[in-house]
Amino acid sequence: DQQVKQNSPSLSVQEGRISILNCDYTNSMFDYFLWYKKYPAEGPTFLISISSIKDKNEDGRFTVFLNKSAKHLSLHIVPSQPGDSAVYFCAATSPGDSGNTPLVFGKGTRLSVIA
Amino acid sequence: GAVVSQHPSRVICKSGTSVKIECRSLDFQATTMFWYRQFPKKSLMLMATSNEGSKATYEQGVEKDKFLINHASLTLSTLTVTSAHPEDSSFYICSARDRLAGGLAKNIQYFGAGTRLSVL
Repeated sequence: DQQVKQNSPSLSVQEGRISILNCDYTNSMFDYFLWYKKYPAEGPTFLISISSIKDKNEDGRFTVFLNKSAKHLSLHIVPSQPGDSAVYFCAATSPGDSGNTPLVFGKGTRLSVIA
Repeated sequence: GAVVSQHPSRVICKSGTSVKIECRSLDFQATTMFWYRQFPKKSLMLMATSNEGSKATYEQGVEKDKFLINHASLTLSTLTVTSAHPEDSSFYICSARDRLAGGLAKNIQYFGAGTRLSVL
């Protein structure tokens, strides 16, 4: 059973427009959510995160929104740039003091920004 | 920023041989490192959690005798694929958490660049 779902395997957006990547989760114990960006043949790069006590976190062109009641989060990129073309993974984790709690990843969404 | 170095980036080996992959945290210490495997068009599959100074915790279905993990220091974890077979061919990625990170930041994992293993 997939606890973190990214239902859109791919997304194409024109340069300068907004990219919206969506993620749904099923485990209500998740309290911290992260977005990673991955280029081919490279490891994922941490992008932005949000705690369950917030509904929005912004960092430059990237904003993550969290809707706890809907168990849904989204990543907005505006304006989109060709260099943003990559696979974006949504990840979630539940409370843990030891730091050993693993992240649960979605399957990823491939974003293509067209010039 | 936190940097994780993974080596080698690519390895081709004959069936039956063993391959060691290294994962190093370069500018931070990591008591916990994670090993993932990624299949084509699939998500990252957690294989095991590597704990410094103790035995690794393996996920269900992952053979501990097949995938040997050693985390002998706060900056190095190794994954050895023993007696590799073609079905072990995959992209292996490690990640690490900064042991000194506070609050929720301790949940952030920093990833290596991955190792493409091809077993002939």
